[in-house]
Amino acid sequence: DTAVSQTPKYLVTQMGNDKSIKCEQNLGHDTMYWYKQDSKKFLKIMFSYNNKELIINETVPNRFSPKSPDKAHLNLHINSLELGDSAVYFCASSQTEGGNTIYFGEGSWLTVV
Amino acid sequence: AQSVTQPDIHITVSEGASLELRCNYSYGATPYLFWYVQSPGQGLQLLLKYFSGDTLVQGIKGFEAEFKRSQSSFNLRKPSVHWSDAAEYFCAVGVSSNTGKLIFGQGTTLQVKP
Repeated sequence: DTAVSQTPKYLVTQMGNDKSIKCEQNLGHDTMYWYKQDSKKFLKIMFSYNNKELIINETVPNRFSPKSPDKAHLNLHINSLELGDSAVYFCASSQTEGGNTIYFGEGSWLTVV
Repeated sequence: AQSVTQPDIHITVSEGASLELRCNYSYGATPYLFWYVQSPGQGLQLLLKYFSGDTLVQGIKGFEAEFKRSQSSFNLRKPSVHWSDAAEYFCAVGVSSNTGKLIFGQGTTLQVKP
C-alpha cells in the first residue's frame, strides 16, 4: 500500500492551461505538504496544511492554489500554466507530534510546452 | 537564515568501496536532520534522521550518519557501496518541529563504478 500517493505521475500540457495534481495519504498524518523540485533538482517547500488549515505559503504565485478537503488529501491546482512551472511536484505528509518526520510521494512530473 | 550545504555535487566510487557524503547546516537552534535518497525517476525515500540523543544514527540500506554540533555537520556514510546505491542524496534540516518545514541541500549525485 502506497503511503503517500499522487496523481498523475506524468503530465504534459500547453502554456495557459489549468491543471490539478491530487494527493492522498493513508498514514493518518495531520500535516500535508507540496514541495517543488526544479530542473537543477533543488527542492523547496511550497505549501503546508495542518488539519486542513494552511500554515505555510512560501511566496508561491497566486496561480497555485492548494485545497485540502480533509486531512488525508491535499490537491494542487495550477492556473494559466507557464513554461517555468515545469518541475517535479512532491506531495508529502507528517505527524506533528514526534518530530515531524516527512514522508514523500513519488512525485508528479509536470512539463509545460 | 537557515541553510544546508552539500559541498560535493557529484561523487563516483567503486562498488565495494566506502562512502561519505558531506552535509553542513546553518541553524541557530538544535536541528532536526534528515537524509533522503532519490533514485532516477523516483520519489524521495527517508534514509535516516536525527532528532536528539545518540549522535550516530543508523538508517536503512546500511547507511549511518553522525551529527557533529561543533562542525555543524551531518555526514552520511556507508562502509561498502552497492551498485544499487547510485542515486541522488539530499540532506535536509527541519527548521521547526511544529510546521515540519524542511530546508534541503542541493543534493549529491552518487555514481557507482563496477
